[in-house]
Amino acid sequence: EPEVTQTPSHQVTQMGQEVILRCVPISNHLYFYWYRQILGQKVEFLVSFYNNEISEKSEIFDDQFSVERPDGSNFTLKIRSTKLEDSAMYFCASSPGLAGGPDTQYFGPGTRLTVL
Amino acid sequence: AQSVTQLGSHVSVSEGALVLLRCNYSSSVPPYLFWYVQYPNQGLQLLLKYTSAATLVKGINGFEAEFKKSETSFHLTKPSAHMSDAAEYFCAVSVSTASKLTFGTGTRLQVTL
Repeated sequence: EPEVTQTPSHQVTQMGQEVILRCVPISNHLYFYWYRQILGQKVEFLVSFYNNEISEKSEIFDDQFSVERPDGSNFTLKIRSTKLEDSAMYFCASSPGLAGGPDTQYFGPGTRLTVL
Repeated sequence: AQSVTQLGSHVSVSEGALVLLRCNYSSSVPPYLFWYVQYPNQGLQLLLKYTSAATLVKGINGFEAEFKKSETSFHLTKPSAHMSDAAEYFCAVSVSTASKLTFGTGTRLQVTL
């Protein structure tokens, strides 16, 4: 069964450094998403991406964040200058983009980002 | 704006007992509703989703949920708990196809012998 994959599974970085989190969505899906889950808190939406542009973003997704689909398979989240409060589990998701009903988002296993 | 409230951050049941996890939603438009499960150190897996075709929705692993518009609820149930059901369960709402999911705070289900 196709699945969303994410690399790395765990990333440790120093405050102020740039990090890139990578995701490979399910191959025929059209919508891509990033969510994060700070330890002990709920899963929060960051951004959605469709047709090579951001379709929706939250107030969390400020100028420090960017997303890119550099080729036909990868979807990346970049944090330019990490802060301590960016420490969280980051989930990538993709959905097929079905019309006429709720689209199921399929989640990857997550990347745990630790900022020291 | 939409939101989800999950009552009870921790629920403990005995193996074989009824599981009931509560979810109430708020939405200005007819919602799409989802239940996801998260096993330790894993991602989120869809249990079931409400599509408006039927108010009682059956999902994987014997779980089901009933959409009650008058109560703005979408509670998750399973008649008989199994040890393997121990996990965190998240209710989520969206307002259109492919739009963002807004999650509740989650309920950790513990199953005891």
